[in-house]
Amino acid sequence: AQKITQTQPGMFVQEKEAVTLDCTYDTSDQSYGLFWYKQPSSGEMIFLIYQGSYDEQNATEGRYSLNFQKARKSANLVISASQLGDSAMYFCAMREYNYGQNFVFGPGTRLSVLP
Amino acid sequence: GAGVSQSPSNKVTEKGKDVELRCDPISGHTALYWYRQSLGQGLEFLIYFQGNSAPDKSGLPSDRFSAERTGGSVSTLTIQRTQQEDSAVYLCASSLGSSGDLYEQYFGPGTRLTVT
Repeated sequence: AQKITQTQPGMFVQEKEAVTLDCTYDTSDQSYGLFWYKQPSSGEMIFLIYQGSYDEQNATEGRYSLNFQKARKSANLVISASQLGDSAMYFCAMREYNYGQNFVFGPGTRLSVLP
Repeated sequence: GAGVSQSPSNKVTEKGKDVELRCDPISGHTALYWYRQSLGQGLEFLIYFQGNSAPDKSGLPSDRFSAERTGGSVSTLTIQRTQQEDSAVYLCASSLGSSGDLYEQYFGPGTRLTVT
């Protein structure tokens, strides 16, 4: 079974608008971390934001925020005020702290920001 | 400061040959990961090293793949008798380890392997 699901293979957003990239996960571990990474066309993986399973508040990092709904097992990434440079692949990832020792990545969402 | 470095950046090899891919993690990072990314796909976990503990090899696709980490720093991923399906970008990442967002991984630029 997929541990990380990203149902949107591709998304378009108009420059300066907000966009939400979906991520749902599957785990029976009570302690885990959720991560979002950006991969531009140049290929490097760039860490964006982290949410711990015990964090009560949604994580925010500049224009990025994570809409964490623990009961629904979702960790959607919200990008506010999209910029052309936000066009990239976005990967959601999870690490289970008790049951697993490695990261599991979702299949990714390709975001295209339109001028 | 210095990030994760990988070498070579590109490697073209003939089917059946062995290849070695190198990763230099960020100094002080105790955790090191290898991933494989095929064209247009997500990341596939291969192997994980944490300090002096035995590595987690659960992601290695076959016994042709092996990796070692010397002195808790540099790591080498070896692929023996390469096959065309091994063609991919091999990414290395390191993290400070421990807990919480210290698990944040810093990725290297990757090695693009092409098996002809």
